[in-house]
Amino acid sequence: AQSVTQLDSHVSVSEGTPVLLRCNYSSSYSPSLFWYVQHPNKGLQLLLKYTSAATLVKGINGFEAEFKKSETSFHLTKPSAHMSDAAEYFCVVSGRSFGNEKLTFGTGTRLTIIP
Amino acid sequence: DTGVSQDPRHKITKRGQNVTFRCDPISEHNRLYWYRQTLGQGPEFLTYFQNEAQLEKSRLLSDRFSAERPKGSFSTLEIQRTEQGDSAMYLCASSYSGTEDSPLHFGNGTRLTVT
Repeated sequence: AQSVTQLDSHVSVSEGTPVLLRCNYSSSYSPSLFWYVQHPNKGLQLLLKYTSAATLVKGINGFEAEFKKSETSFHLTKPSAHMSDAAEYFCVVSGRSFGNEKLTFGTGTRLTIIP
Repeated sequence: DTGVSQDPRHKITKRGQNVTFRCDPISEHNRLYWYRQTLGQGPEFLTYFQNEAQLEKSRLLSDRFSAERPKGSFSTLEIQRTEQGDSAMYLCASSYSGTEDSPLHFGNGTRLTVT
C-alpha cells in the first residue's frame, strides 16, 4: 500500500519569499512521486515527477522537489513566490513502481500569497 | 493537443435519479482514468481503462457505478439511483502507456450536486 501525508493544510507566504510545501510518503515499492497543482475551476496540472533518476527534480514555474529516502520526504520548494502561485497543491504517489496506475493523492495544501 | 474534455461541467440532480458523464481523452492516449474529489480532499481513484479494457476498479466504485469505454476512445461514467453522498467533482484523466509512461492529463471535471 502507498500513501502520502501533506503536513500543512494551508500555507501563507509573502510575494517574493520562499515557498515550502511538505510531503511525507509511504510506499512498499520504490515510489514514483508527483506534485500536481489545481487552480480554482481548472484541471489538475503536473508540476514535476520523480521516478528514481536524480533526487532533485525541477518542474515548471520555478518549482523543485527533493526526494529524500532516509526521511521518506518529497518537499516542494520555490525560491520566490509569485501571486499566480496561489492554488491547491497535491503530493501524489503511484501505485506501482514507475507506473501511472492508481495514483494516491494527499489531502492537499492551499497556498496563499500575500501581496 | 486539445486536452481532456469532460461534459457536462455541472450537473444537479435529485436523489434517486440516474446520471451519466462523458470524458473525451487526448486522442493518442490509450489509458483513461476516473477519479472523484470531494470538498477539501484530494482526488480518489475510481477506475482505469487501457484501450477498451477496464483493468482496475476501486472499492469506492459501488454497484451503482458503471464505467465504459466501448471503442477505446471516449468513456462514460454512470451513477444509478444517486445519493447525496455522491455529490463530488468527478475527474477524468488520460495518459499514454508505451515504452515510457506519460504523466496523467486531467480534465476540468464534472461537478455533481445531488439534492
